[in-house]
Amino acid sequence: EADIYQTPRYLVIGTGKKITLECSQTMGHDKMYWYQQDPGMELHLIHYSYGVNSTEKGDLSSESTVSRIRTEHFPLTLESARPSHTSQYLCASSKGGGTNTGELFFGEGSRLTVL
Amino acid sequence: GDSVTQMEGPVTLSEEAFLTINCTYTATGYPSLFWYVQYPGEGLQLLLKATKADDKGSNKGFEATYRKETTSFHLEKGSVQVSDSAVYFCALSDRGQGAQKLVFGQGTRLTINP
Repeated sequence: EADIYQTPRYLVIGTGKKITLECSQTMGHDKMYWYQQDPGMELHLIHYSYGVNSTEKGDLSSESTVSRIRTEHFPLTLESARPSHTSQYLCASSKGGGTNTGELFFGEGSRLTVL
Repeated sequence: GDSVTQMEGPVTLSEEAFLTINCTYTATGYPSLFWYVQYPGEGLQLLLKATKADDKGSNKGFEATYRKETTSFHLEKGSVQVSDSAVYFCALSDRGQGAQKLVFGQGTRLTINP
């Protein structure tokens, strides 16, 4: 069973607010990811990290930022939320090294609504 | 670049029907292939995987075989249940990419009626 947690599960906020979506994993995984899932269900990689102090942009451009100060923690921040940021955000992690076959472990998601 | 194409949904079946969800891929290397399932209001869970050609992944009555000659990884189940209603994602992972980024298909929504 995967041990990766996201908070909040649901968030409704007004335009212009700063928000941080939290993601923590207790599996000691080096690699972590943020996906944005649109209403049509498609998943888009927006950020990933190889390990502490490593962050990379994903395939879909995003106005959000991430940080990786600790192995277990990979928060996502929006400095000024807009209605276009309304989406479901999924955090995931994976093992590093040669034994990794590419399996990702996902959190339950954070559904953000910006009014 | 690498890509995954799934059959379009939504798919609606009656309980105990046979299920096939088609998935084909394009990849430059030798990818691992996955099926993930997303139940309502939840994140994605790994359903099954196959890491090399001719491997068969199986779990909870679902099966998929890695077919290199047809670049396919179709998901099948002999007798579906109402509890199988979910969104199913086919995905590939190329080990040549450092972060093992998964490439997902667009998802297929499955509804099983009693």
